[in-house]
Amino acid sequence: NAGVTQTPKFRILKIGQSMTLQCTQDMNHNYMYWYRQDPGMGLKLIYYSVGAGITDKGEVPNGYNVSRSTTEDFPLRLELAAPSQTSVYFCASSYSMGLAGGSGTGELFFGEGSRLTVL
Amino acid sequence: AQTVTQSQPEMSVQEAETVTLSCTYDTSESDYYLFWYKQPPSRQMILVIRQEAYKQQNATENRFSVNFQKAAKSFSLKISDSQLGDAAMYFCAYRSARGVRFGAGTRLTVKP
Repeated sequence: NAGVTQTPKFRILKIGQSMTLQCTQDMNHNYMYWYRQDPGMGLKLIYYSVGAGITDKGEVPNGYNVSRSTTEDFPLRLELAAPSQTSVYFCASSYSMGLAGGSGTGELFFGEGSRLTVL
Repeated sequence: AQTVTQSQPEMSVQEAETVTLSCTYDTSESDYYLFWYKQPPSRQMILVIRQEAYKQQNATENRFSVNFQKAAKSFSLKISDSQLGDAAMYFCAYRSARGVRFGAGTRLTVKP
């Protein structure tokens, strides 16, 4: 059971560099999310997707881009890395919101996180 | 916009005792889910318990139970017979068709 897989787990970037965090899920979930978690804080939504070809901004999208060409993959691109992007990044996936009596259990399944440091 | 509030940044409990973590939320929707997630030092996000808003019965999972008060928009987590392995950050989360919101978290310490 792979679930949600994120790579890399750790990365150090220099200011101005770019990189892509990879995320893939094998549960056929149509919803996927990217969150960041700063030290001692909660989760903030960066971007999310409700299906292949559809993405939307969350609370803190500036400095990031995403794409969703397949159901399984949802990469997060950091352009021109800045020290403020030092954080732990989580990818998550879920079924569609299951209405009362409908399908789906509602919860988000998370990857193990990727720790990014920008120096 | 939906907001989720965890008013206790830190809580402490003696091993084998019971502790309750608080969560309130603000919404005008009638159909939603509520969750408690645990984040140990490994930082993995682990689902502890789930509650569907249309269900009146409070969810339970072994030593974990919730007190869901829909009218009061309250969703507290009770941990019975606390164990050292329960020490972690606990996040309350709200999910509806309009999105997902997490609270700021409560750090639980378990004293031996």
